[in-house]
Amino acid sequence: KAGVTQTPRYLIKTRGQQVTLSCSPISGHRSVSWYQQTPGQGLQFLFEYFSETQRNKGNFPGRFSGRQFSNSRSEMNVSTLELGDSALYLCASSLTSGLAGGETQYFGPGTRLLVL
Amino acid sequence: AQSVTQLDSHVSVSEGTPVLLRCNYSSSYSPSLFWYVQHPNKGLQLLLKYTSAATLVKGINGFEAEFKKSETSFHLTKPSAHMSDAAEYFCVVSEGNAGNMLTFGGGTRLMVKP
Repeated sequence: KAGVTQTPRYLIKTRGQQVTLSCSPISGHRSVSWYQQTPGQGLQFLFEYFSETQRNKGNFPGRFSGRQFSNSRSEMNVSTLELGDSALYLCASSLTSGLAGGETQYFGPGTRLLVL
Repeated sequence: AQSVTQLDSHVSVSEGTPVLLRCNYSSSYSPSLFWYVQHPNKGLQLLLKYTSAATLVKGINGFEAEFKKSETSFHLTKPSAHMSDAAEYFCVVSEGNAGNMLTFGGGTRLMVKP
């Protein structure tokens, strides 16, 4: 079974631009979560989508948004990019909503975004 | 609210010696706990997870971790380090009421000397 895929793998943008990142979950998985990884802040939760609905959102400004499609693929968008948005953005998928606890999440390789 | 503290940002061991990576957690509910590993320029790979079954959890590549509720700890161990174990390790907590939201520790970089 194919793993989680993310496109593009690398991206360079300039301040003020916007960017869209894509994530395809493992086949059959209905939950997709996004995380930002930076040297200073570590790994931080951005948001989670389950069955096309945003279920949880982390403490990020409204410039960060996402959506999930009926085939469970997800996109995240960052508008008005700032230098501090430079990071590795990781997507993770899981089979269920996780409300029963302990759901394993499978991570993609990430998209490395550099904002100049 | 849930939180995780990894007590060492860097650990250095010699090949063939034991590995101990320390993790303490805080959770208002019965947590699920995970250890993930990240090799350079790669995504995160699950090593093992605890979900209120056996307190001693065995994972991949010879790693194991013990859940100690009284100490709120979930330390990761391996009897004998291998060069390929050099990577960054993350202790992670999730609470059932938070769905799939994971809270990560700051990470421990493991270095293995020949």
